[in-house]
Amino acid sequence: DAGVTQSPTHLIKTRGQHVTLRCSPISGHKSVSWYQQVLGQGPQFIFQYYEKEERGRGNFPDRFSARQFPNYSSELNVNALLLGDSALYLCASSLAAREGYTFGSGTRLTVV
Amino acid sequence: GQQLNQSPQSMFIQEGEDVSMNCTSSSIFNTWLWYKQEPGEGPVLLIALYKAGELTSNGRLTAQFGITRKDSFLNISASIPSDVGIYFCAGQPILNAGNNRKLIWGLGTSLAVNP
Repeated sequence: DAGVTQSPTHLIKTRGQHVTLRCSPISGHKSVSWYQQVLGQGPQFIFQYYEKEERGRGNFPDRFSARQFPNYSSELNVNALLLGDSALYLCASSLAAREGYTFGSGTRLTVV
Repeated sequence: GQQLNQSPQSMFIQEGEDVSMNCTSSSIFNTWLWYKQEPGEGPVLLIALYKAGELTSNGRLTAQFGITRKDSFLNISASIPSDVGIYFCAGQPILNAGNNRKLIWGLGTSLAVNP
């Protein structure tokens, strides 16, 4: 059974560009969350989606947006990239009930 | 962003030794999770705790949900070289509403095991 899959695995972008990161949750999982992990830190919550609706938003600027599709996959979009957006972006999925998240391997974004 | 207080920051131990790490929060949590992360990978869930006082084991790993709901610890017994990695605690604040399951994370404990 496939776990959480993220694409691409690595990405290099220039300041000011836009990026789209993709995530496919575990089959049957309806909740997808996005986290940003800067080197040497713990993950920081960006968004949570459940049944295609936004259920939570972290303290990130409006340049960050996301959506969830009918098949429960999700996209994270970041506009006007800054050097500080360089990080590992993690996607996690879970069932709606009380369970720990399962994370993907992440997308390593480098902004130059 | 908001973070948990996780200690120690790093540990360097001999193979076979036991390890203990803990996390504290200034607010009450209704869920505590412990993850392990290796280079280039996402965090992998080790143990999930849902009730105050709950003590749960997963092989050589044991974790407890503190009675005050503001802390948790993770113990690793008889460490082996493959235990190397960064261990994170994460918790869900009790004030989260509905299906918002935002997790707050510690800064991690980096574990090195000398064979």
